[in-house]
Amino acid sequence: NAGVMQNPRHLVRRRGQEARLRCSPMKGHSHVYWYRQLPEEGLKFMVYLQKENIIDESGMPKERFSAEFPKEGPSILRIQQVVRGDSAAYFCASSTAYGRATYEQYFGPGTRLTVT
Amino acid sequence: AQSVTQLDSHVSVSEGTPVLLRCNYSSSYSPSLFWYVQHPNKGLQLLLKYTSAATLVKGINGFEAEFKKSETSFHLTKPSAHMSDAAEYFCVVSDLRGSYIPTFGRGTSLIVHP
Repeated sequence: NAGVMQNPRHLVRRRGQEARLRCSPMKGHSHVYWYRQLPEEGLKFMVYLQKENIIDESGMPKERFSAEFPKEGPSILRIQQVVRGDSAAYFCASSTAYGRATYEQYFGPGTRLTVT
Repeated sequence: AQSVTQLDSHVSVSEGTPVLLRCNYSSSYSPSLFWYVQHPNKGLQLLLKYTSAATLVKGINGFEAEFKKSETSFHLTKPSAHMSDAAEYFCVVSDLRGSYIPTFGRGTSLIVHP
């Protein structure tokens, strides 16, 4: 059973370009979370999605950032017009269900975005 | 609102000596608590979790943690450190009030000397 897959692992973009980060959850998982990690900091929640639904996007900046989890295919985190402050590691996690605090999340290896 | 505080940003031990990584939490509801480990340039891996069952929780790689409600603590311990334990460790809290969105601590970097 493959784990959570993220690609690309490393992404370099110039200021003003778009970044697209992809996440394929573990088989059988229909819940996806996106987090951002800055150096020397813990993970900050960005958005929680189920298939075709955004459940909670309270941690995502209102502008330039968007996320989707279509019926078919991976979840996509999209950052438009990137700025240097967007440089970070972005992690995706998946879980089997929602509504229970006990369900642990399984993390992907992350995408390290560098904006030059 | 839920929150978690990892009391040490760095912990340095010698190989073979005990490990103690401290975590205090704040939660209005019965929380679930987790410890994750992150090796350099890798994703996070679950070490163990507390979910209102036994207060002493055993995890992978010889780690364990004890939930102490009176002290609002969930410290991570291991009797004997190994070089491969060198990594970043995150304490995480999740509860109903926070809509089950986990809150991560800032992390503790464990350094193991030979």
